[in-house]
Amino acid sequence: NAGVTQTPKFQVLKTGQSMTLQCAQDMNHEYMSWYRQDPGMGLRLIHYSVGAGITDQGEVPNGYNVSRSTTEDFPLRLLSAAPSQTSVYFCASASQGGNDGYTFGSGTRLTVV
Amino acid sequence: SQQGEEDPQALSIQEGENATMNCSYKTSINNLQWYRQNSGRGLVHLILIRSNEREKHSGRLRVTLDTSKKSSSLLITASRAADTASYFCATVGYSGYSTLTFGKGTMLLVSP
Repeated sequence: NAGVTQTPKFQVLKTGQSMTLQCAQDMNHEYMSWYRQDPGMGLRLIHYSVGAGITDQGEVPNGYNVSRSTTEDFPLRLLSAAPSQTSVYFCASASQGGNDGYTFGSGTRLTVV
Repeated sequence: SQQGEEDPQALSIQEGENATMNCSYKTSINNLQWYRQNSGRGLVHLILIRSNEREKHSGRLRVTLDTSKKSSSLLITASRAADTASYFCATVGYSGYSTLTFGKGTMLLVSP
């Protein structure tokens, strides 16, 4: 079982560039989320999905898009990268209700210059 | 906005000692979860306690929940150097969707 797989692990972007962070899970989890982690800020929710075709905004959604066409995949798109989006991004998934907690990916460290 | 606030922000102890971390939150919750994050790694789920539970154990971990005070504590007994990590509490509300709202974490250092 791979769990939650995030790619790439590291990325450097120039301001204004766009890119997609990939997230895939093989546990047939309905719930998937994207978080960003900044020093001293803990983790903040960007977008989440409760099933294929259903997405919603979290606490800090501006500048990011998501879609969920399959249960397995939940990509995060940066539309026009800004230095404020320099962060570590985590994808997480859970079965409905999250009774066993969330499973997190290993993260993508993004630097925008 | 942050829901949970962990206390202390940093904790340094010797191997064999117990480590206690506290978490306070602001709004009513469905459940509260604790996660561990080793440096440069993803988060690992440790334990979940529901709003109608007061105490839960898992191996060397003991979690308590006081909904009247909106607070929780995580106790790690007989700490080991491998327990060195950041620990986060995360709450799940009653919105119908089990999204996590995290605190800022406690950094635990266990010295041999």
